[in-house]
Order: sequence, then C-alpha cells, then structure tokens
Amino acid sequence: EAAVTQSPRNKVTVTGGNVTLSCRQTNSHNYMYWYRQDTGHGLRLIHYSYGAGNLQIGDVPDGYKATRTTQEDFFLLLELASPSQTSLYFCASSDVGGSQDTQYFGPGTRLLVL
Amino acid sequence: GEKVEQHESTLSVREGDSAVINCTYTDTASSYFPWYKQEAGKGLHFVIDIRSNVDRKQSQRLIVLLDKKAKRFSLHITATQPEDSAIYFCAANPNNAGAKLTFGGGTRLTVRP
Repeated sequence: EAAVTQSPRNKVTVTGGNVTLSCRQTNSHNYMYWYRQDTGHGLRLIHYSYGAGNLQIGDVPDGYKATRTTQEDFFLLLELASPSQTSLYFCASSDVGGSQDTQYFGPGTRLLVL
Repeated sequence: GEKVEQHESTLSVREGDSAVINCTYTDTASSYFPWYKQEAGKGLHFVIDIRSNVDRKQSQRLIVLLDKKAKRFSLHITATQPEDSAIYFCAANPNNAGAKLTFGGGTRLTVRP
C-alpha cells in the first residue's frame, strides 16, 4: 500500500506567522494533493501537482502557496497565517493515468492559528 | 464547478442491518465516483468506487449504485459490523480531470450493538 507521511502532526502558530507543512510519498505517484478538512465542508482541495515543479490551483487556494520540489515531496506554505486557516490538513497522492485513480492519504496535520 | 452533496450528515444503524448513504452531484461530465472511509483520528482510505460505464458495483458487503440520469450515487453497507463505524465521504471526478476530486461533506456512521 502507498505510504504518505506528513509532518508535523500538530502545529500551533500565531496570526501572521509563517507555517510550512510537509508531505512525502514513497510510491512514485505522479499526482500529489493538499486538502483541508473542516466540519460541514468535507475535504476541500487547496493545491495539487502532477510532478516536480508543477502546481495546479485547487478550489480553495487563497492564502496558501505550495511547492513540489521532487516527485516525493510536496509542501504547503502559509506565509501570513490567519485563524480561518485553523483546520486539519491532509496530503494525498495518486498514480493517475494507470488503472487506478485511488488517492492515498497521509495521517493529517492539525493546525491551530491563534 | 462540480458540487457534491452528501445527504446524511449522521446515520445510526443496528449491527447487522444495512446502511445507505446518498450523494448527488451537479456536473454531468463526472465519470468517476469513489468512496472513502475515515476512522477516528486517521486519514481517509479508499473503500470502493464506480465508473459511469456501469450502474452497480459490489465488493463484499459494499454495494455502490449510480443513477446518471438523476446524478445520484449511493453506498450500501450490508450486514453492518461495529468496525464499519466511521465517517464516509463520497467524491466525484469532474470533467474527466484525471486527478481532481470533489468531496461531499461526509456522513458519520454509527453501528450500534
């Protein structure tokens, strides 16, 4: 099974702070995704990427940047964190184009912005 | 863009009964409909999917039905067990985007002993 890891697992920052969330997948998947999960909204796609150096805009991108440095690593950056960005963040990966479109999720990072 | 609505935010059933979770979508071009399960404190994991070229798919106790005309799909869990208790998310792939999924809001299923 695909392995997706996230760090940190928990993070507390203050309004205006700078936060980087990290994600690594070890199954050579081409696509990687960042979601946020909020009660009542399900999962909402922030950014995604289909390869190193590529970035695609998701459905809720405002206030977030992302960078895909390698096939394995995808980072989510909050440069001026706001309380509205308090959420549970998930990274996922998938091998689109093959017979499987299944997304494999990491364990999540819980972010609190005070 | 695509919108996916999950009609039941919570669902409680007795062990051994069936549970049904319903979703609707808006984009007629959507063709791929996966379901994910999230257990307490964990990430999501895939449970079953259906593509628009069929209207029914079964995997053990899970059945997915797709009604393209009504833009509706549903997950049926038969003979429920306590370990089925979790949050279930439906999703749709809009415009054959290949990768992008739009998720519903989630249904918290509780299986009572």
